[in-house]
Amino acid sequence: DGGITQSPKYLFRKEGQNVTLSCEQNLNHDAMYWYRQDPGQGLRLIYYSQIVNDFQKGDIAEGYSVSREKKESFPLTVTSAQKNPTAFYLCASRPGGLWSGSYNEQFFGPGTRLTVL
Amino acid sequence: AQKITQTQPGMFVQEKEAVTLDCTYDTSDPSYGLFWYKQPSSGEMIFLIYQGSYDQQNATEGRYSLNFQKARKSANLVISASQLGDSAMYFCAMRYTSGTYKYIFGTGTRLKVLA
Repeated sequence: DGGITQSPKYLFRKEGQNVTLSCEQNLNHDAMYWYRQDPGQGLRLIYYSQIVNDFQKGDIAEGYSVSREKKESFPLTVTSAQKNPTAFYLCASRPGGLWSGSYNEQFFGPGTRLTVL
Repeated sequence: AQKITQTQPGMFVQEKEAVTLDCTYDTSDPSYGLFWYKQPSSGEMIFLIYQGSYDQQNATEGRYSLNFQKARKSANLVISASQLGDSAMYFCAMRYTSGTYKYIFGTGTRLKVLA
């Protein structure tokens, strides 16, 4: 079955440690996105990537880093510079190009809940 | 700047009744898309319905319909015949163009369906 997988589902980190969240998709989508969700709030864009080896900062990129070495993978690293990393992280993808598909719907993974101890 | 506003933090509805969740948006982009997602307690985001800015008719998907009023910049979600399984967070989102397609989300409405 095609879809997006995120691992792990729950992640605990000590202060001062970097941690990497995995996001893999087998939908052959070009564009991928990382969002952060805090309680009672909507999703905020961290980073996005349109194609392999290219990515752009979103609205809250400080303290995060990404890579896009393969089309199907878009890992997110939460660095020690992120002051308040405890949150729910969602990865999404969509078919590539500005004009591909009438919906341009994003497909979401199940999310990773990160807690800093 | 793009903006999505959901003014109802929480809503209650009786089972089998209809409910409307409000969403207003703001953009200067003539081409945009509006989405509604459902987020149950498990956290996954489930796509419900889409409305394009040039679509002449309101979108419908089963029990979901989108009341699109372009002049008022509103895109309200109507759920007919509510079911207990409809209890969840609901997010309105807008796709706009900024080099590529980007998305902005509202703060959500928590819907509780009462038996």
